[in-house]
Amino acid sequence: GENVEQHPSTLSVQEGDSAVIKCTYSDSASNYFPWYKQELGKRPQLIIDIRSNVGEKKDQRIAVTLNKTAKHFSLHITETQPEDSAVYFCAAANPRHDKIIFGKGTRLHILP
Amino acid sequence: EAQVTQNPRYLITVTGKKLTVTCSQNMNHEYMSWYRQDPGLGLRQIYYSMNVEVTDKGDVPEGYKVSRKEKRNFPLILESPSPNQTSLYFCASSLSAGSYNEQFFGPGTRLTVL
Repeated sequence: GENVEQHPSTLSVQEGDSAVIKCTYSDSASNYFPWYKQELGKRPQLIIDIRSNVGEKKDQRIAVTLNKTAKHFSLHITETQPEDSAVYFCAAANPRHDKIIFGKGTRLHILP
Repeated sequence: EAQVTQNPRYLITVTGKKLTVTCSQNMNHEYMSWYRQDPGLGLRQIYYSMNVEVTDKGDVPEGYKVSRKEKRNFPLILESPSPNQTSLYFCASSLSAGSYNEQFFGPGTRLTVL
């Protein structure tokens, strides 16, 4: 079945440095790739998404890149801040199935 | 205020005792979905609904039922809960049918089955 692999499972970076989280997907028909952030004890919330007709999207300190040929996409956070500490989930969606498959999540720690 | 609500937020029950977790959204969204979140396994989709009276299985539907009689409500039913259904459950909704829109998550329901 469809699968989304997410790496790393845990990531620690110094405040001010950059963080990169990578995901690969198996279903070549997937065309929508959202990223959700879940703070401790809270619900997941969308932070950025990308559709298959573009290769990169930026929103202030966060950016997502997509390589459809290789079937992988990445989240980049620059100038990390303490409030970036959270669990991040990538996901891939195939509109034919109306299902969305999430990665297992990355716990990001921002070190002071 | 636009929101997705779930009830109860916390529930401890015993094996075999039927329970229902309610989910309601006030955004007139067509698409609603249930997920369970377990450590190391991320978010796994249980069931989803594209509109009233239209439901379909996600990746882990065994042991669960859903119904969509009204657009705003999407209850999750555990007919005979078992300890392996102990988990954190999230309901989510999005604007249109199809999973390629932002999903708005409810606050979560932490279920413990003894």
